[in-house]
Amino acid sequence: DGGITQSPKYLFRKEGQNVTLSCEQNLNHDAMYWYRQDPGQGLRLIYYSQIVNDFQKGDIAEGYSVSREKKESFPLTVTSAQKNPTAFYLCASSIFAGASGEQFFGPGTRLTVL
Amino acid sequence: AQSVTQLGSHVSVSEGALVLLRCNYSSSVPPYLFWYVQYPNQGLQLLLKYTSAATLVKGINGFEAEFKKSETSFHLTKPSAHMSDAAEYFCAVSDSDSNYQLIWGAGTKLIIKP
Repeated sequence: DGGITQSPKYLFRKEGQNVTLSCEQNLNHDAMYWYRQDPGQGLRLIYYSQIVNDFQKGDIAEGYSVSREKKESFPLTVTSAQKNPTAFYLCASSIFAGASGEQFFGPGTRLTVL
Repeated sequence: AQSVTQLGSHVSVSEGALVLLRCNYSSSVPPYLFWYVQYPNQGLQLLLKYTSAATLVKGINGFEAEFKKSETSFHLTKPSAHMSDAAEYFCAVSDSDSNYQLIWGAGTKLIIKP
């Protein structure tokens, strides 16, 4: 089955620690996205990548970093510089930049800072 | 700039009643329009999309939406609500001005009363 996997589903970290969230897709999509979701605030774009070895900042990139070394993988690192990292993180992909923009989503990772 | 407005952060309807979730968008060029649904602690799932074909779009789970250019609206409806429809619903728009990035509404939480 084609789709997007995110791991882990739940993640706990101590303040001051970096943590990496995994996102893998086997849909052969060119573009991938990371969103942050907080209660009552909808979806906010953190980073996106349209091709391998290239990515752009979204609306709330501060305190986050990404890499896109392979087409199917787009890991997100939440660094200690992110002041309020507790949130639900969603990864998505789309077939290629310039199409309708329809995105396919993973199941999400809930990050809690202790 | 593109934007999406969803009227009502929460909408409550009785089981069996009509569901109407409102979405208005701004776009100076022909848009693509989407409705997604999110169940608690899950990723988003596409309900339906408008891609410049028929203005009345039918989606999954008995939902449909009508594109009205003159009103810049894309409201989501379902004739008879079911308890399983309780979820959060997001409207999104993309167009050439946004380079086909999705611009998201803030979401509407649908509550079904027994």
